[in-house]
Amino acid sequence: EVHLVESGGGLVQPGGSLTLSCAASGFTFHEYAMTWVRQAPGKGLEWVSGIDDNDGRTYYADSVKGRFTISRDNSKNTLYLVINSLRAEDTAIYYCAKPRLRLVPAAIAYGMDVWGQGTTVTVSS
Amino acid sequence: QSVLTQSPSASGTPGQRVTISCSGSSSNIGSNTVNWYQHFPGTAPKLLIYSNGHRPSGVPDRFSGSKSGSSASLAISGLQSDDEADYYCAAWDDSLNGYVFGAGTMVTVL
Repeated sequence: EVHLVESGGGLVQPGGSLTLSCAASGFTFHEYAMTWVRQAPGKGLEWVSGIDDNDGRTYYADSVKGRFTISRDNSKNTLYLVINSLRAEDTAIYYCAKPRLRLVPAAIAYGMDVWGQGTTVTVSS
Repeated sequence: QSVLTQSPSASGTPGQRVTISCSGSSSNIGSNTVNWYQHFPGTAPKLLIYSNGHRPSGVPDRFSGSKSGSSASLAISGLQSDDEADYYCAAWDDSLNGYVFGAGTMVTVL
């Protein structure tokens, strides 16, 4: 069975940093692009970042560009999101998600069919 | 403010048909496929419709999607109480070089 399990969330002061992890199992991780999506309290879903399967090309939402870094370790079947210079508006549940299609350019565009349960990041002093 | 525009709410009585619209532009819906997600707050979102009108395995055929030009819609027929959820359209945006979600539509079963 395909599983994604996020971890690394917590309470962080403004300006701080955090590294989120997403452990994947049940599928050939290195063949899939991966992505992070967040939901702030009372707000809708917001795509944050994505990383391709093959060349590791990365994509970021304008709201996080320059502060967030997505990466992956295919030997550990794990996706990461390093969040720097945290702001109150980064407070959210962060989900990792797997695209439906593998080995396809811009696979994220075709929909994400497996999601983790999310990890909560709270930015507050 | 999202680049994909959805009405904030929709409602219907059990058994009715509800339609949710999603309006975009030539850089997103106009040139890429649309996906729809169902989300119960506090849980993992669920892919409901992919590539404009296709249902993943296990999604009832009460849910259907369509796209025309730079707009898309999701229809829920035979509305049931457990359809009460937030529904999001999403698409790749070539100008932003990223994936974008609509602001979401909350469906209420009266």
